[in-house]
Amino acid sequence: KNQVEQSPQSLIILEGKNCTLQCNYTVSPFSNLRWYKQDTGRGPVSLTIMTFSENTKSNGRYTATLDADTKQSSLHITASQLSDSASYICVVNGPNTGNQFYFGTGTSLTVIP
Amino acid sequence: DAGITQSPRHKVTETGTPVTLRCHQTENHRYMYWYRQDPGHGLRLIHYSYGVKDTDKGEVSDGYSVSRSKTEDFLLTLESATSSQTSVYFCAISESNLETQYFGPGTRLLVL
Repeated sequence: KNQVEQSPQSLIILEGKNCTLQCNYTVSPFSNLRWYKQDTGRGPVSLTIMTFSENTKSNGRYTATLDADTKQSSLHITASQLSDSASYICVVNGPNTGNQFYFGTGTSLTVIP
Repeated sequence: DAGITQSPRHKVTETGTPVTLRCHQTENHRYMYWYRQDPGHGLRLIHYSYGVKDTDKGEVSDGYSVSRSKTEDFLLTLESATSSQTSVYFCAISESNLETQYFGPGTRLLVL
C-alpha cells in the first residue's frame, strides 16, 4: 500500500534554532515529492517540489532533500522564525495520472520566542 | 491564494440535504481538485478535473459528485449530506498534474 509517513508528529523549538522534519514514503514509482506549509485555518502553500532525480531544493530558509534509494525526504528549516509555526505536509505524486497524490498527515511545528 | 476563491467559506446544514460548494479560479489552469481535510487523515482527494467536462474520481469519491462546465469553475455536490462529510474542503488548481498545486482558502462544512 502506498503510504507517506511524517515525523515527528509535532515539534516545539526556540526562535532562531534550526530543525529538520522527516518524510518516509513507500510510493514507487513516483514522479515528484512536494513539501507544503499550512498555516492554521488556511490552505497549504507549496515550499518545494523535487523530481525523483533531484537531491536537494531550496526556498529561502527552507531546504528539502530527497534520497530516492531509501525513500526518504527531509525539510530543514534554518534560523526559525515565529512565522514558521505551521503544519508541514509531505506529498508524493505517483506517476502520470492526476489522482495519485499521497499526503502525509503533517508535522505541526511551533516556534516559541 | 493564487486567484482561487471558494464559496461559501462556512456552512452548516442538516443530514439529508443537498450541498454545493464552488471553486472559482482566475488563473486559467487546466487542472482543478477537490480535497477534504480531517484530523488524523491529512488531505484526501475527492475528485479532480483535467479540463472542461473532464473529471475523474479520487480516493474518497463516494457520496460526492462534481461538474466543470467552464474552465474557471469546479463544483462539488453532496447529494445528501451525512455527518461523516463534516470536514474542511479545499479546492486546488495546477497547470498540469505534475506541477505545483495552489490551494484555495477552504470551506468549513458542518453536517448536523
